[in-house]
Amino acid sequence: EVQLVESGGGLVQPGGSLRLSCAASGFTFSDHYIDWARQAPGKGLEWVGRIRNKANSYTTEYAASVKGRFTISRDDSKNSLYMQMSSLKTEDTAVYYCARSYASGSYDAFDIWGQGTMVTVSS
Amino acid sequence: DIQLTQSPSFLSASVGDRVTITCRASQGISNYLAWYQQKPGNAPKLLVYTASTLQSGVPSRFSGSGSGTEFTLTISSLQPEDFATYYCQQIHSYPLTFGGGTKVEIK
Repeated sequence: EVQLVESGGGLVQPGGSLRLSCAASGFTFSDHYIDWARQAPGKGLEWVGRIRNKANSYTTEYAASVKGRFTISRDDSKNSLYMQMSSLKTEDTAVYYCARSYASGSYDAFDIWGQGTMVTVSS
Repeated sequence: DIQLTQSPSFLSASVGDRVTITCRASQGISNYLAWYQQKPGNAPKLLVYTASTLQSGVPSRFSGSGSGTEFTLTISSLQPEDFATYYCQQIHSYPLTFGGGTKVEIK
């Protein structure tokens, strides 16, 4: 089964750090770009960032709201994606989703999503 | 940044109704647009990509159209399982952005 499973969410104080993980299975993880998106309670979706594949040098893109505070990385040998979150703010409170996106010869859209992991930033 | 404006933000409809949701982009994005469906407590689900291509497994009552700055998602005959929130997303340029969502509720 093609799936993504996030982990690592929890309660953290403002200014703190947290590392989210996303484990992939059922497809060739290394071929794909992978994205993070988030959804604050009762709100809409917000794109957080992207990491490209090896063929595109694992380069990254970030939303302005997290640039300089969040870092996305991947380990293709472990079929895993990570997001290191630092200097967390209360407005970072959200469900965080990883999502599969572009692969060479394919289209760019988020066709597989994880179930999400909740991050709560509060004192 | 490219802003996506969805309308309406909320609509009330009955089973069997034809429903149309509009997504307007603040600048031209060619056909780099996707539509997602999200039900409460669940992750979003891809319905349409490249503005008009139906994702595998999505019922044919869903269709997407448009190019440039104006796009529509149409449900030809609303079914009980279609009551959900729908989002458009542009994948033309960074930062990638989503529309504000359209919540479809039972009339």
